[in-house]
Amino acid sequence: KNEVEQSPQNLTAQEGEFITINCSYSVGISALHWLQQHPGGGIVSLFMLSSGKKKHGRLIATINIQEKHSSLHITASHPRDSAVYICAVSGGGADGLTFGKGTHLIIQP
Amino acid sequence: DGGITQSPKYLFRKEGQNVTLSCEQNLNHDAMYWYRQDPGQGLRLIYYSQIVNDFQKGDIAEGYSVSREKKESFPLTVTSAQKNPTAFYLCATRERDSTYNEQFFGPGTRLTVL
Repeated sequence: KNEVEQSPQNLTAQEGEFITINCSYSVGISALHWLQQHPGGGIVSLFMLSSGKKKHGRLIATINIQEKHSSLHITASHPRDSAVYICAVSGGGADGLTFGKGTHLIIQP
Repeated sequence: DGGITQSPKYLFRKEGQNVTLSCEQNLNHDAMYWYRQDPGQGLRLIYYSQIVNDFQKGDIAEGYSVSREKKESFPLTVTSAQKNPTAFYLCATRERDSTYNEQFFGPGTRLTVL
C-alpha cells in the first residue's frame, strides 16, 4: 500500500510570499492529484499529474517520478489561498485514491 | 447544474442509532466512493462501487454498509457497530474511462454522534 507524506503539516506566511508544499510517496503511481479543501469542507481538484509540470494561474505543480516526489507552488500568495492542500495518488485501478494528511496553509494580510 | 449532492451538511445522532448519509450525482459517472476524514488524518476509503449493484470494501469498511441500486445514488449507512462514527464523510465519483482515476468530490456531511 502506498504511503503518502506531506510537508509541512502547517504553514503560515505573509501575503505575497512564494509557497511550496511537498509530497512524497512510496510506491509507483499512475497519477498524483493536488486537491484544495476550504474550511467548509468541500474539496476541489487543482491538478492531476503523471509527469512534468502543470500551471494554472498562480499555482504550479511538478512531479519527479523517479524520486517519487511532487511539489505544489503558489506564487504571490493571497489570503484567499488559505486552505488545506491535499496530495493524493492513484495506482491506475478503479479503487480509491490514497491521501496525504494535508497541509494547512494560512496566508496573513 | 451537474454535480454531486450530499445531504444533510450536518447530522447529529444518538449513540447506538443507525444513520444513512445520502450521495446523489447527475454527472453520469459510473464509479462512486465514500471516504471518511478525521482531524489530522488523510481521507480513508470506506466503500466504492464501479457499477450498479456492485460494491467493494475499502480500507475501513467495518461498521458501514452501502447499496448501489441506481447509478445516481450511493447511500452510506453508519451502523451502531461503528465504534467512532463522528467524522466528516465525503462522497466522490469517477468517470468510467478516467485513465488517472480523477475523482470529483461532493460537499461532505459532518456526522456527530452524541
